[in-house]
Amino acid sequence: NAGVMQNPRHLVRRRGQEARLRCSPMKGHSHVYWYRQLPEEGLKFMVYLQKENIIDESGMPKERFSAEFPKEGPSILRIQQVVRGDSAAYFCASSRQSQPQHFGDGTRLSIL
Amino acid sequence: GESVGLHLPTLSVQEGDNSIINCAYSNSASDYFIWYKQESGKGPQFIIDIRSNMDKRQGQRVTVLLNKTVKHLSLQIAATQPGDSAVYFCAEFKGGSGNTGKLIFGQGTTLQVKP
Repeated sequence: NAGVMQNPRHLVRRRGQEARLRCSPMKGHSHVYWYRQLPEEGLKFMVYLQKENIIDESGMPKERFSAEFPKEGPSILRIQQVVRGDSAAYFCASSRQSQPQHFGDGTRLSIL
Repeated sequence: GESVGLHLPTLSVQEGDNSIINCAYSNSASDYFIWYKQESGKGPQFIIDIRSNMDKRQGQRVTVLLNKTVKHLSLQIAATQPGDSAVYFCAEFKGGSGNTGKLIFGQGTTLQVKP
């Protein structure tokens, strides 16, 4: 049973470019979460989605960041016009209803 | 404000000894907690969880204790092995229904196992 799959594992972008991070949840999981982790820190919640719906986006920056979880295909975290401060590890997690969240191995985003 | 914090940033133990990692939380309404282990370059790995209607739960070599009176959570690892070296995070469930939703993570404790 494959775990949460994230790609790419590493992504390098120049300032002003767009970054797209993908997450395929575990089989049977309909809840997806995105978190951001800065070096030497814990994970910070960004957004929680179910199929085609954003349930909680209280941790998402108001500008440049968006997330989706379409009916078919992976969840996408999109960052437009990236800046140096967006450099971080971005983790996706998935779960069934009322079950623990299981995490992927993250995408390390570096902004030049 | 609400926060989940850990008492020590680094814990060093001898191989074979027991480890105890502590966590304090501030939201007395929280009713679900999870411990995760994160190795370098990887995502957090689920270890064990506990709901607020319990004060102790055991897994394989691990035990989680919950003291709601003082809002304290601990993870005990028996017979610590080199493979246990990692950063350990406690996480508190925040919002939603049926324990499904946003997790609030602490800063993490680095466990170093000496051979």
